[in-house]
Amino acid sequence: DTGVSQDPRHKITKRGQNVTFRCDPISEHNRLYWYRQTLGQGPEFLTYFQNEAQLEKSRLLSDRFSAERPKGSFSTLEIQRTEQGDSAMYLCASSHGPVRNEQFFGPGTRLTVL
Amino acid sequence: AQTVTQSQPEMSVQEAETVTLSCTYDTSESDYYLFWYKQPPSRQMILVIRQEAYKQQNATENRFSVNFQKAAKSFSLKISDSQLGDAAMYFCAYRSASNQFYFGTGTSLTVIP
Repeated sequence: DTGVSQDPRHKITKRGQNVTFRCDPISEHNRLYWYRQTLGQGPEFLTYFQNEAQLEKSRLLSDRFSAERPKGSFSTLEIQRTEQGDSAMYLCASSHGPVRNEQFFGPGTRLTVL
Repeated sequence: AQTVTQSQPEMSVQEAETVTLSCTYDTSESDYYLFWYKQPPSRQMILVIRQEAYKQQNATENRFSVNFQKAAKSFSLKISDSQLGDAAMYFCAYRSASNQFYFGTGTSLTVIP
């Protein structure tokens, strides 16, 4: 296992379209996190899964955003009716918590909404 | 809500010298974790060092060490013998009891040859 992977790495879409991103965590990690990072800022927490259960959601996660982790392995993040303000890097991270709880990050998906 | 503040948007250091990056945080929790992450240009974020709040001893990882002042809610990162490969954006992060992570806005470190 080479680490956390994310697909696609880049996505360009038109305003109003729906997009879906995928994250594959490190295989033995039961915790998975989604973040949004805009230029010049640190990652902003969006949501967190422990196995298949979504335990925390940020208020930043509007109704247009939904995340799933159906089998406790990979996760998807969907954005409906994209807006230009959604343009950002979407990062996924996983951890083997709670003992060490350090996060391992994926390369991110860069979304551009035209 | 917890907040993490990095007051130095940019820092520079001469190669082989020592640099300290500052981080303060605000919380009402007593048990939490603190982290420093490094994000090289166009590359993935990687963990540099972690500190458990219940431990008084400052964490050290090779050339990286922290100065953790719990009462002052301060968590600075010291990089000794700076190398060109240390050039990156550095983020301070706080993990809450509910397992949410909060990141600062980052400090861009330049290493001058």
